[in-house]
Amino acid sequence: DIQMTQSPSSLSASVGDRVTITCRASRSINSYLHWYQQKPGKAPKLLIYGSSSLQSGVPSRFSGSGYGTDFTLTITSLQPEDIATYYCQQSYSTPPFTFGGGTKVEIK
Amino acid sequence: QVQLVQSGAEVKKPGASVKISCKAFGYRFTDHYMHWVRQAPGQGLEWMGNINPTDGGTTYTQKFQGRVTMTRDTSTGTFYMDLTSLRSEDTAVYYCARDKVNWNDVFEHWGQGTLVTVSS
Repeated sequence: DIQMTQSPSSLSASVGDRVTITCRASRSINSYLHWYQQKPGKAPKLLIYGSSSLQSGVPSRFSGSGYGTDFTLTITSLQPEDIATYYCQQSYSTPPFTFGGGTKVEIK
Repeated sequence: QVQLVQSGAEVKKPGASVKISCKAFGYRFTDHYMHWVRQAPGQGLEWMGNINPTDGGTTYTQKFQGRVTMTRDTSTGTFYMDLTSLRSEDTAVYYCARDKVNWNDVFEHWGQGTLVTVSS
């Protein structure tokens, strides 16, 4: 199985800050990497698919990049409504389709 | 629009079984695989498996092999996930999730979640 490792596990930043979350795969997954946002008590929401494609309706301050084993999710200007836990997920080749452990983003 | 509506919360004793439903609205039922993802309290997301709505073919992650069964009812547009031999570690919110169009195995649409509590 492909293992997904996210870092950091949590972070605290100020409104307006640039925030970067990383996700590393245990072997190459090309660009089959996707990012989700989950707010407490809610289902996850797709933000980015295919490493860098922005899901419809998602604010442009969110962006993704990477290929192979190393990926990043960037929030260019953190807003209060971005407080959530973020997960990466790979869909390369055969199942299981594994998730990273999550990164909890808080406001400083 | 696409909507996935899951059944309500369940409380079960260890050793029992639970069957959760996920009714799909707003798209052609047979066009997209349905996946099941669970989340234990305070923990991350765990993919359990998926089902092909056309032929009922399933893929389960090894962890749940022998305990999970995913089925579908094409007449009602409903998916089911049955988990047997429940233990306390199965306490979690269980989600059904549908693929994004043209992107298999990317979870664009999610049910609201079903909390299963396993407790004696």
